[in-house]
Amino acid sequence: SQKIEQNSEALNIQEGKTATLTCNYTNYSPAYLQWYRQDPGRGPVFLLLIRENEKEKRKERLKVTFDTTLKQSLFHITASQPADSATYLCALDMRRRTGRRALTFGSGTRLQVQP
Amino acid sequence: EAGVTQSPTHLIKTRGQQATLRCSPISGHTSVYWYQQALGLGLQFLLWYDEGEERNRGNFPPRFSGRQFPNYSSELNVNALELEDSALYLCASSLRGDEQYFGPGTRLTVT
Repeated sequence: SQKIEQNSEALNIQEGKTATLTCNYTNYSPAYLQWYRQDPGRGPVFLLLIRENEKEKRKERLKVTFDTTLKQSLFHITASQPADSATYLCALDMRRRTGRRALTFGSGTRLQVQP
Repeated sequence: EAGVTQSPTHLIKTRGQQATLRCSPISGHTSVYWYQQALGLGLQFLLWYDEGEERNRGNFPPRFSGRQFPNYSSELNVNALELEDSALYLCASSLRGDEQYFGPGTRLTVT
């Protein structure tokens, strides 16, 4: 079955630096991959979607890359701020595996930005 | 535009009871997804409803069931509650089946 690996340990960085989060997956490559932000006790918030034929996607201070050869996505937050502190989830489309629409989520990486 | 809403916010039940959780999607969204997030764990896919039909189901026992109403709102029912069912239950809605928009969740506690 599809396995998604995100850094289980928290990532601590200094304000103003670039945070880079990793999402690795095994088995089949999804048609697209998504990133979400989740704050404690709240529902995830959609951030970015990148398709398999896109190498890179940007939105304001966020950048996502998708390398189907490496089976990896990188999520970057530039000029990080303490307000960016949250858990970031990677989610893969399951359509190629199951023929049906569903997302498989990684367990997330907790980002802590120090002022 | 109103987001996804869920009720109740918190629910406390005892083992063996039944729980009913409700979700209202964003206006115009026809798909509703349910997820379970146990403490410290990732989101586990439960159910997907679209146009009133169950389209996909995660690896959960049959005592987890639900339905979608004509107005696209949805209900998740959990029968014969067990202690390990204690979790945050999240509902999400989607229009095109790509990005999902989540509600605030229902915190279910089984004692």
